[in-house]
Amino acid sequence: TQLLEQSPQFLSIQEGENLTVYCNSSSVFSSLQWYRQEPGEGPVLLVTVVTGGEVKKLKRLTFQFGDARKDSSLHITAAQPGDTGLYLCAGGTGANSKLTFGKGITLSVRP
Amino acid sequence: EAQVTQNPRYLITVTGKKLTVTCSQNMNHEYMSWYRQDPGLGLRQIYYSMNVEVTDKGDVPEGYKVSRKEKRNFPLILESPSPNQTSLYFCASSPSSTGDTEAFFGQGTRLTVV
Repeated sequence: TQLLEQSPQFLSIQEGENLTVYCNSSSVFSSLQWYRQEPGEGPVLLVTVVTGGEVKKLKRLTFQFGDARKDSSLHITAAQPGDTGLYLCAGGTGANSKLTFGKGITLSVRP
Repeated sequence: EAQVTQNPRYLITVTGKKLTVTCSQNMNHEYMSWYRQDPGLGLRQIYYSMNVEVTDKGDVPEGYKVSRKEKRNFPLILESPSPNQTSLYFCASSPSSTGDTEAFFGQGTRLTVV
């Protein structure tokens, strides 16, 4: 069974702070996806990384896929209250595979 | 607008009373799945379907049924709901069965079984 462990589980920070959260596994994935889920809504895809070492930026969010394709990180610069939500990582292993989800990181950004 | 639509959004029912949660997608996606989301346990896959008339068990299928008679619809059936099925349920669809493609989620159905 492939597991994705996300850390920290909960994070509460002040507006303007920077933060980094992690998604780790002992298994190799062909891709890693990050989703954000807001209260009362379904998860929405933020980014997909597919190449070891790949870095993608989405405004103030920077995503990195580990060189060995077993882990990923999400860095948020100057967090805003609008960044509040549950951040889920999900790993895929190619054709006829399912997405394996981590348990998520609950982020709260205080004004 | 491309979307996955679940109904109802909220449902309170009694133990043993059969219920169906509907899911419909308008993106012509082949792959559809159902998840339940519980505190501390994350998203767990219940059932999935790779195409019409093709369904298979996910990680937590006990107590649930599904059908895929049309490409766009993938209802979740609880024949005899029990309180441990109280949860937040999500339907999702993807263009293909590869685990590397984006999953599009519905808005969720919060089910309470008393």
